[in-house]
Amino acid sequence: GQNIDQPTEMTATEGAIVQINCTYQTSGFNGLFWYQQHAGEAPTFLSYNVLDGLEEKGRFSSFLSRSKGYSYLLLKELQMKDSASYLCAVRGAGYALNFGKGTSLLVTP
Amino acid sequence: DADVTQTPRNRITKTGKRIMLECSQTKGHDRMYWYRQDPGLGLRLIYYSFDVKDINKGEISDGYSVSRQAQAKFSLSLESAIPNQTALYFCATSDPGTGPDTQYFGPGTRLTVL
Repeated sequence: GQNIDQPTEMTATEGAIVQINCTYQTSGFNGLFWYQQHAGEAPTFLSYNVLDGLEEKGRFSSFLSRSKGYSYLLLKELQMKDSASYLCAVRGAGYALNFGKGTSLLVTP
Repeated sequence: DADVTQTPRNRITKTGKRIMLECSQTKGHDRMYWYRQDPGLGLRLIYYSFDVKDINKGEISDGYSVSRQAQAKFSLSLESAIPNQTALYFCATSDPGTGPDTQYFGPGTRLTVL
């Protein structure tokens, strides 16, 4: 089975940088995904990591350490519209994505 | 037009009723999935299908059934709805032939069982 942990809530200030952590335990590993989900809307794909290191996409970056079972999502130059839930999902030895419970990020002025 | 559509978007029903939620996609993806989302529990996989002839149970399939009518259509049925099936239901699609087999989600169906 898989166990995925991420903080329940975080608050940050507009213009700042925030790091959202995700730790996981899995039998087999075939990639880690980050999704953004605004309240009442569909999750939308942000990033994918399968090898150790940092993947950068504009204001968003995602890091993976497979040996530590650890990933983080880094959001720079925060904007009010970044207030949302951020979901960490791990693909184990099979097909399925297992999702964490999500981190609710509030960006304040 | 949206690539993944779900109907209805909202539904209120009573305990014991049969309900069908429908999902259609124009992405041409072979793989389709049904999830439910509950506050504090995250997204949980109900059923998935890798092609028209392939149906598999997910983590929480009890009380649900599915039908893959075509590559583009995947329906979820609740044969006899119960209140703890009140949740937000999402359909998703993916294509393993392109990159990391990323899943793309529909807009969701909010189901309330009274």
